[in-house]
Amino acid sequence: GAGVSQSPRYKVAKRGQDVALRCDPISGHVSLFWYQQALGQGPEFLTYFQNEAQLDKSGLPSDRFFAERPEGSVSTLKIQRTQQEDSAVYLCASSPEGTGYGYTFGSGTRLTVV
Amino acid sequence: QKEVEQNSGPLSVPEGAIASLNCTYSDRGSQSFFWYRQYSGKSPELIMSIYSNGDKEDGRFTAQLNKASQYVSLLIRDSQPSDSATYLCAVKGTGGFKTIFGAGTRLFVKA
Repeated sequence: GAGVSQSPRYKVAKRGQDVALRCDPISGHVSLFWYQQALGQGPEFLTYFQNEAQLDKSGLPSDRFFAERPEGSVSTLKIQRTQQEDSAVYLCASSPEGTGYGYTFGSGTRLTVV
Repeated sequence: QKEVEQNSGPLSVPEGAIASLNCTYSDRGSQSFFWYRQYSGKSPELIMSIYSNGDKEDGRFTAQLNKASQYVSLLIRDSQPSDSATYLCAVKGTGGFKTIFGAGTRLFVKA
């Protein structure tokens, strides 16, 4: 597609519920990143994929967070047993080559845990 | 010390003035530097990237990099009310694959 597409745009989850957030990057983009952005803060790195390989997951805050990109295109970020502190905007970004280039961000998924 | 630091603002400038946004970073070996603009409720949008010392101009925007001082800046000439947004400085450091973002500077351009 023309841009990075994320769905759903908004998600309200009850505490303890599992959620799955989808990212469809720009076609052909090798690099895919997930970031978490709290209100009034800059995006915080979660994880990085180069094609289907998850090369860096150092930013995932706990083992409740899991990401995959099985065919090197669409990626899913899964959060198990959601907690209130998981409430944030989850941003997906892609870039055509390596990691030293600027990103194109999707519109994000705003997750609210109640 | 935060890895990428920005003044949170708000920075308020009159329409037509030059807005100057500043950023410092801690990883001396960093090689890639970016400025993103983020409107309220929207996602960040890349507006400038800079990789070598000096100035880089693109329309009304000029990015300045001084690696010795570990300092990056963004100048916006002839500021317009539509430039009112949060500007995020981002740095690709030497550790791992991630680009690290500052918390952003809010800019208000008064008509």
